[in-house]
Amino acid sequence: DTGVSQNPRHKITKRGQNVTFRCDPISEHNRLYWYRQTLGQGPEFLTYFQNEAQLEKSRLLSDRFSAERPKGSFSTLEIQRTEQGDSAMYLCASSRQTATRGDTQYFGPGTRLTVL
Amino acid sequence: LAKTTQPISMDSYEGQEVNITCSHNNIATNDYITWYQQFPSQGPRFIIQGYKTKVTNEVASLFIPADRKSSTLSLPRVSLSDTAVYYCLVGRYNQGGKLIFGQGTELSVKP
Repeated sequence: DTGVSQNPRHKITKRGQNVTFRCDPISEHNRLYWYRQTLGQGPEFLTYFQNEAQLEKSRLLSDRFSAERPKGSFSTLEIQRTEQGDSAMYLCASSRQTATRGDTQYFGPGTRLTVL
Repeated sequence: LAKTTQPISMDSYEGQEVNITCSHNNIATNDYITWYQQFPSQGPRFIIQGYKTKVTNEVASLFIPADRKSSTLSLPRVSLSDTAVYYCLVGRYNQGGKLIFGQGTELSVKP
């Protein structure tokens, strides 16, 4: 496995701008997750895909946030009209559904967003 | 999902064995236990996962008593590079969905 990759690694934007992040999961992993982490806190769940279907969304995911996973491969997370409170590390994780063991999520390196 | 409780911080010295205990009193029959390690500005890294008794891999051991209401992550002979935050999580077996992270245990290894 080559690991979960995320791009860009860092993004600085001005308040009100739109930003888009990309996540490439481990190949053959059918589940993909987005989390957000602020300084000193553990990651907070945002949303979850199984294949191309978005199965769960957190209340943290306001209407300014949208996530897609076309064709069940890579995923994008878009934030519209960014606010300073959106500044955080955005983490992507993936896992493979199995019948024999726990659902182990493997995380990418994250995208650090700074909203000025 | 069962809530987990673990110490906020721990200190150790190089070469010592470190044991971090996590309590999960409300763990359900279908729940498994997973530990992650996280360095600053990086994503969490999977360490070990178990359901009951003892699990060992090349990095750590996980001890789970019969009642499964707690678990202990054991790191043998820690080095400075083991300084990180360690998270204990409980999740449903073979069920996708969110992981709920607490604040984790900040381990500081000193020379």
